[in-house]
Amino acid sequence: EVQLVESGGGLVQPGGSLRLSCAASGFTFRSNWMAWVRQAPGKGLEWVANIKEDGSENFYADSVKGRFTISRDSPQNSLFLQMDSLRAEDTAIYYCARAILQAAGAFDIWGQGTMVIVAS
Amino acid sequence: DIVMTQSPDSLTVSLGERATINCKSSQSVLYTSYNKNFLAWYQQKPGQPPKLLIYWASTRQPGVPDRFTGSGSGTDFTLTISSLQAEDVAVYYCQQYYNSWWTFGQGTKVEI
Repeated sequence: EVQLVESGGGLVQPGGSLRLSCAASGFTFRSNWMAWVRQAPGKGLEWVANIKEDGSENFYADSVKGRFTISRDSPQNSLFLQMDSLRAEDTAIYYCARAILQAAGAFDIWGQGTMVIVAS
Repeated sequence: DIVMTQSPDSLTVSLGERATINCKSSQSVLYTSYNKNFLAWYQQKPGQPPKLLIYWASTRQPGVPDRFTGSGSGTDFTLTISSLQAEDVAVYYCQQYYNSWWTFGQGTKVEI
């Protein structure tokens, strides 16, 4: 079964750090672009960051650039998001998503999400 | 950044009736060398992650009912649900992947 499972969310104080992980299974992880997408409580979807199949390129939304770092470990079938200098506005469900091979950028597989709460 | 704007923000449709959601991009997402529009549509139900319905603006993802149709090109796109079913109550999002900074529309809530 093709699956993505996120972990690492939790409560963190403003200015703190958190590292999210996403475990992939059931497909050839190294073949797909991957991304993080977040959703603040009661709000819409916001793309956060993406990373190329081989990890050689990555891109960030302006709202997180310079604070978040996306990475991947293909032998371990894992995707990561290092989040530093966290702000209250980063509070959201963070989804890991797979971009389909036919159309890199359209996400066909999503995890269930991990909740990040930034509050004092 | 390419800004995606959906309309309306919400709509109420009777069972069996047609629902139409519009999405406009701030610049063209048509890649002329591929003749493809880099535009996707998603459905999100409460408490669930989004589900891919359409990519390349009009290609239905396998398993998606044919009452869902995507159309449009360039900067103007439409998602049509031809005969609304109870299970179609959800929020629908468009998303562009024309460049490497992917962006979503704000979402359209469909109710019965």
